[in-house]
Amino acid sequence: GENVEQHPSTLSVQEGDSAVIKCTYSDSASNYFPWYKQELGKRPQLIIDIRSNVGEKKDQRIAVTLNKTAKHFSLHITETQPEDSAVYFCAASRISGNTPLVFGKGTRLSVIA
Amino acid sequence: KAGVTQTPRYLIKTRGQQVTLSCSPISGHRSVSWYQQTPGQGLQFLFEYFSETQRNKGNFPGRFSGRQFSNSRSEMNVSTLELGDSALYLCASSPWGQAQFFGPGTRLTVL
Repeated sequence: GENVEQHPSTLSVQEGDSAVIKCTYSDSASNYFPWYKQELGKRPQLIIDIRSNVGEKKDQRIAVTLNKTAKHFSLHITETQPEDSAVYFCAASRISGNTPLVFGKGTRLSVIA
Repeated sequence: KAGVTQTPRYLIKTRGQQVTLSCSPISGHRSVSWYQQTPGQGLQFLFEYFSETQRNKGNFPGRFSGRQFSNSRSEMNVSTLELGDSALYLCASSPWGQAQFFGPGTRLTVL
């Protein structure tokens, strides 16, 4: 089955700097890659997702890139703000393969004002 | 649309007891998945139901079971509770094969 590894496990950045979180997956048939943000005491919330027919997707200060050959994808947050502090999870699955969404173990991002 | 709801939000049980958690998905979503979240272990997949059928199952012992009703509402049951079952149990619903939307979770504490 699918295995997703996520790095780093913790990340501290200064406000205004960029943050990058990287994930690798093992199943070459995976074609759907969402990212979730979980603030303390709250539910995970989808912040951006990408499908394998797209190499990059942006939404304001957030972008995700996908390298299918290397089987890795990354989350980029620019101009970080204190409210970006949270745990971020990457995940992978096959949309049409009836396989579950497999999550990485998460990255705790701290944005220091 | 109303979001995913879970009841109860908090539970305290003792070892050996059993517990049933409930999840109501977003209207129109037919897929419901359950996850166990513990510190350091991230989100571990328990099982997924689609149209009342278990479509996928994670690597958890048989003490963990679930079901889905015709209105897509889902329940999960844990029998013979162990201390290690203490966790946040999250339910997520999906239209099918797309983004999952999470409920607030049920915090289970086993004493």
